[in-house]
Amino acid sequence: DIVMTQSPDSLAVSLGERATINCRSSQSVLYSSNNKNYLAWYQQKPGQPPKLLIYWASTRESGVPDRFSGSGSGTDFTLTISSLQAEDVAVYYCLQYYGTPRTFGQGTKLEIK
Amino acid sequence: QVQLQESGPGLVKPSETLSLTCTVSGGSINTYYWNWIRQPAGKGLEWIARIYDTGTINYNPSLKSRVSMSVDTSKNQFSLKLTSVTAADTAVYYCARDSTSDGYPYYFDYWGQGTLVTVSS
Repeated sequence: DIVMTQSPDSLAVSLGERATINCRSSQSVLYSSNNKNYLAWYQQKPGQPPKLLIYWASTRESGVPDRFSGSGSGTDFTLTISSLQAEDVAVYYCLQYYGTPRTFGQGTKLEIK
Repeated sequence: QVQLQESGPGLVKPSETLSLTCTVSGGSINTYYWNWIRQPAGKGLEWIARIYDTGTINYNPSLKSRVSMSVDTSKNQFSLKLTSVTAADTAVYYCARDSTSDGYPYYFDYWGQGTLVTVSS
């Protein structure tokens, strides 16, 4: 199984400031034949299912605010929220879809400082 | 807009079988992969298994011996059975669709709201 490790486990950021969440995979999720990273990011608020934010490591899902961005390649990835808004308080998960079983990071809880 | 809705008993006794159904509306179940994912209270997400409209199934090895899935394309539904449940199987169970292209499954793009299943006598 590909193990996904997020850091930090929790993060407190002031409103309007930048939030950065990292995700590392135990093996590369870059598929050489199409040069795509099989990595997605999700946001989960209490009592709700996860919401897709980013796929192919850096492609923003339709309707997701442009303050959310994804970067990275191979085994190291980052989700950045450029200017934190109150509604961004949530738990964030990375997902690898390179291999089966699909595996998620343990989650990063984002709060307001 | 594709919508998914889980249904099934919210309480299952230890050693019995958990059975859930996911009904898909707003789109066809054909040519997509469909998944079950679970989340114990306050914990992370665990992928359980997925099924294609042809009946091809992939399982999480950690649960494979206890899991089965089926699909009913005429009803736009797919189902999960988990046998010999214990308290460790208590979780919110989500159904989700894979973004699928050229017959390959990718990321989960649509999710149900989830249903809490508690294993207790």
